[in-house]
Amino acid sequence: NAGVTQTPKFRILKIGQSMTLQCAQDMNHNYMYWYRQDPGMGLKLIYYSVGAGITDKGEVPNGYNVSRSTTEDFPLRLELAAPSQTSVYFCASSWDREETQYFGPGTRLLVL
Amino acid sequence: AQKITQTQPGMFVQEKEAVTLDCTYDTSDPSYGLFWYKQPSSGEMIFLIYQGSYDQQNATEGRYSLNFQKARKSANLVISASQLGDSAMYFCAMRELRGSTLGRLYFGRGTQLTVWP
Repeated sequence: NAGVTQTPKFRILKIGQSMTLQCAQDMNHNYMYWYRQDPGMGLKLIYYSVGAGITDKGEVPNGYNVSRSTTEDFPLRLELAAPSQTSVYFCASSWDREETQYFGPGTRLLVL
Repeated sequence: AQKITQTQPGMFVQEKEAVTLDCTYDTSDPSYGLFWYKQPSSGEMIFLIYQGSYDQQNATEGRYSLNFQKARKSANLVISASQLGDSAMYFCAMRELRGSTLGRLYFGRGTQLTVWP
């Protein structure tokens, strides 16, 4: 049982490039979330999903897209990377909305 | 308005002593949950403890306890018998159970705890 896994661990992008941050969980959780953590700050919600095929925006969705074709995977797509997207990205999952969220190890992204 | 406020950017405690990390929250939802997460220097987010708004007793998990004062809207984390390995950033978070936010967590800015020998 690996829990929540994220790849890559670290990535450097040039302005305008695109990439996909991968997130997978093997706990059969319905709910999955993407957060970003800027230096010295708490986490802010980007997108979330309540099940395969269902996604919705969080607090800071601009510049990102998500999809949820399976229960296990919840990739986050960055289109046209900007320096403001330099952050640490965390994926989390929970069985339902009232259960504890478990986090992946994070992806550190630097946009230059 | 801030949903979660952590007023202590940094705290220091000597090994084996107890320490309290402050957290206040703001919500009009009668049903909510409060969480504490630990983030060591390695970066991962580790769940520590949970308190539901309708729970009558304060939550405890080993050396961690949550001092829940509903009327004051505070949910302070108490760590007893601090250990060097407790040095980390600690985040308080809240989840509202009604409305359209569907379980998202609101995080405070965190408190950096340093335990010294």
